[in-house]
Amino acid sequence: GQNIDQPTEMTATEGAIVQINCTYQTSGFNGLFWYQQHAGEAPTFLSYNVLDGLEEKGRFSSFLSRSKGYSYLLLKELQMKDSASYLCAYMDSNYQLIWGAGTKLIIKP
Amino acid sequence: DTGVSQDPRHKITKRGQNVTFRCDPISEHNRLYWYRQTLGQGPEFLTYFQNEAQLEKSRLLSDRFSAERPKGSFSTLEIQRTEQGDSAMYLCASSPGGDIDDQFFGPGTRLTVL
Repeated sequence: GQNIDQPTEMTATEGAIVQINCTYQTSGFNGLFWYQQHAGEAPTFLSYNVLDGLEEKGRFSSFLSRSKGYSYLLLKELQMKDSASYLCAYMDSNYQLIWGAGTKLIIKP
Repeated sequence: DTGVSQDPRHKITKRGQNVTFRCDPISEHNRLYWYRQTLGQGPEFLTYFQNEAQLEKSRLLSDRFSAERPKGSFSTLEIQRTEQGDSAMYLCASSPGGDIDDQFFGPGTRLTVL
């Protein structure tokens, strides 16, 4: 079964901030990815963390703690177009991506 | 357009028929991946190529599934004797390798088996 977990669904308000958490368990680790996927479309790359800490990229930031097996994606100044599923995935020792089921983010005006 | 392309975008077939999908990766990318995704789930790894060599194949992939990348460029995924459970979105992704190796996805082929 999957050893990577993230909430199924979250709701937030336009203009607000939301944090999507992801936890994982693996013996081999080569980085943590976040992807955005709009309904009916393919995933698109958002961020990559391989070292502990926060990576900031515009309105989106991603954090990693390798010792805790934990990452989060932080979205600021939410816009309606941010309504999508957010997928976290870790790269294992074989350099394959192991994907979470995704968090569906609903933005309300 | 220099992104990943997939053909066809949609395929409807009857149970028991064979189907073949094509993926054209970004030209300078040497890694190519096939995934399957069902509604509300993340992508499920199927197989992976480094140039023309098929390096990994999921044990979830039955012998009805086969993939090729004959010249290290485009790839095909064939499903023989399709079953209703094969209905899903089939995604192809390519990556350049290197330190980050983020994967670029194609638009997917949505398969419906009746």
